Amino acid sequence: GNSVTQMEGPVTLSEEAFLTINCTYTATGYPSLFWYVQYPGEGLQLLLKATKADDKGSNKGFEATYRKETTSFHLEKGSVQVSDSAVYFCALSDQAGNQFYFGTGTSLTVIP
Amino acid sequence: ETGVTQTPRHLVMGMTNKKSLKCEQHLGHNAMYWYKQSAKKPLELMFVYSLEERVENNSVPSRFSPECPNSSHLFLHLHTLQPEDSALYLCASSQASGLVTDTQYFGPGTRLTVL
Repeated sequence: GNSVTQMEGPVTLSEEAFLTINCTYTATGYPSLFWYVQYPGEGLQLLLKATKADDKGSNKGFEATYRKETTSFHLEKGSVQVSDSAVYFCALSDQAGNQFYFGTGTSLTVIP
Repeated sequence: ETGVTQTPRHLVMGMTNKKSLKCEQHLGHNAMYWYKQSAKKPLELMFVYSLEERVENNSVPSRFSPECPNSSHLFLHLHTLQPEDSALYLCASSQASGLVTDTQYFGPGTRLTVL
């Protein structure tokens, strides 16, 4: 079946540090992959997505590349800011676009 | 401002109560979704509506009953819930067909506690 596994948190980084949040998936067919972010007290927001292998999604300095050979979609940012403190969710949709599978979320805290 | 509002933001209910959660989207979207977010567990997609028709039901217990009277409003009717149903219930909407690959816009959620 389809599933998403992302690294456990919480993650605490100093401002301007490099961020990697690992995400791996199990899926049949050709899923689409997503990263969503949830700021404190708010709903989830789409951060970036990739719909086919080797695609790179990017937004707000964050990037993730759809790697079919390693079944991964790791989130990276070169220099984090305090305002990036949030919970980050990796997600997968099935090929038909009818089902969504989320990871458990990774909490990120960036300290000045 | 996400354009998706949910009321109430917090709800405490007993197991014998009946209550409803409301979601309203101001984005002109055609599809709406209910999700359950429990601590330490992945988000669970519960229901999908496209053009006011239910297109997906992920084996959710019948004590949860959705209603979509128009494309702007979505309700989740609750009755005889269990304590394990305590969670954050998130509503989302998207522009097009109800495919989850469409960009979804989420509301802030209703924090439900079942005593």
